[in-house]
Amino acid sequence: ETGVTQSPTHLIKTRGQQVTLRCSSQSGHNTVSWYQQALGQGPQFIFQYYREEENGRGNFPPRFSGLQFPNYSSELNVNALELDDSALYLCASSAGLAGASYEQYFGPGTRLTVT
Amino acid sequence: KNQVEQSPQSLIILEGKNCTLQCNYTVSPFSNLRWYKQDTGRGPVSLTIMTFSENTKSNGRYTATLDADTKQSSLHITASQLSDSASYICVVSPLGGGSQGNLIFGKGTKLSVKP
Repeated sequence: ETGVTQSPTHLIKTRGQQVTLRCSSQSGHNTVSWYQQALGQGPQFIFQYYREEENGRGNFPPRFSGLQFPNYSSELNVNALELDDSALYLCASSAGLAGASYEQYFGPGTRLTVT
Repeated sequence: KNQVEQSPQSLIILEGKNCTLQCNYTVSPFSNLRWYKQDTGRGPVSLTIMTFSENTKSNGRYTATLDADTKQSSLHITASQLSDSASYICVVSPLGGGSQGNLIFGKGTKLSVKP
């Protein structure tokens, strides 16, 4: 186990609703990255938080937003859910920015289904 | 456009046999290249990380190679075990990705090891 936890494990929401996913980073890590993984695809980078500030964002609309707290845990919020938002959402923590050669430790993911 | 292509898409081998997975990328310049193992429904687990100046990196029965001139990497698995059944994902980090956090993931190769 990596020490990175995510909650909830599974979630079912209706189109148009809002959802909040949570991630607790590994002890000593100050960086959390979020990814969306559709079935049969590789993970797609959503954004990264470094020391409580967003530090890099992928090609996702503004309805995807996040927070990082002083203890470096993080939340991913998605507003106005669409059917295509159904995916496995992964968070990864690291001791530094993800683009550098810092090891990334992934959580088990949250499976979101939008109906 | 920065892309990471993996082949084959899927692979079936017998327990005890060796196999090699391929990764071609167009990301340039890049900071590092990683290989991850992802069990179904779980988060990816890091196998190797190589900087642009490294040619090979081993982790037990897993050996990754990198040819930065041809923009190719391979992951060789020796003496496969049933527990090696998983998706193997190649990830490339663009140089400067540290400030962007944008790791580029391939779609993965799904490996099935049969008894």
